[in-house]
Amino acid sequence: SSELTQDPAVSVALGQTVRITCQGDPLRSHYATWYQQKPGQAPLLVIYATNTRPSGIPDRFSGSRSGNTASLTITGAQAEDEGDYYCKSRNSSANRLKVFGGGTKLTVL
Amino acid sequence: QVQLQESGPGLVKPSGTLSLTCTVTGDSISNSDWWSWVRQPPGKGLEWIGEIYQTGSTNYNPSLKSRVTMSLDKSKNQFSLNLNSVTAADTAVYYCAREKKGSDWDGARWFYYYYMDVWGKGTTVTVS
Repeated sequence: SSELTQDPAVSVALGQTVRITCQGDPLRSHYATWYQQKPGQAPLLVIYATNTRPSGIPDRFSGSRSGNTASLTITGAQAEDEGDYYCKSRNSSANRLKVFGGGTKLTVL
Repeated sequence: QVQLQESGPGLVKPSGTLSLTCTVTGDSISNSDWWSWVRQPPGKGLEWIGEIYQTGSTNYNPSLKSRVTMSLDKSKNQFSLNLNSVTAADTAVYYCAREKKGSDWDGARWFYYYYMDVWGKGTTVTVS
């Protein structure tokens, strides 16, 4: 199992706010990165350095961290936000190494 | 515009070696970035395989380290993945990605962060 734990599935009503969490000891010391993946597509970077959005990512996506938990919040979820979300960070015991969370499937109702 | 493209056999026999190449366009693999491999078994999540730096320095997932080798070909602007002694468990979509490094100073120490900002489309490798 991964050092980073995510809820397997989360759902949100269209236009509402949803928080996707990632929990693990690496997050006490290292930044979280978030990726969105839609079926049949490569992952897409949506948040890095805990709360920085790349160019082109809507501002409804935001990130935060508290203790050993990182969160990705989508404020006003849209139908196109449906997909799988993965957190990534550095390994807690060997920080040269990277580790992904197990992923969260987001359904927009 | 930076693009990455994976290439290699889509079918590998058990106990054989999986060999993939990632061709980079729009950027140089000699830049200060890490060049990474990630895989995704059917219906499962992402797994970090490892990365290679312009100097040839590598970091590998401990669970795969004994079977993985990564290399660079600067003349072709490509980097490669070799995974030996493959089994059906190695069947997956394999992605290559560029991983950039950033830093923050909090007044007392530097914090480093990494993010994969460009990905290839992925290539399916079946071990059978």
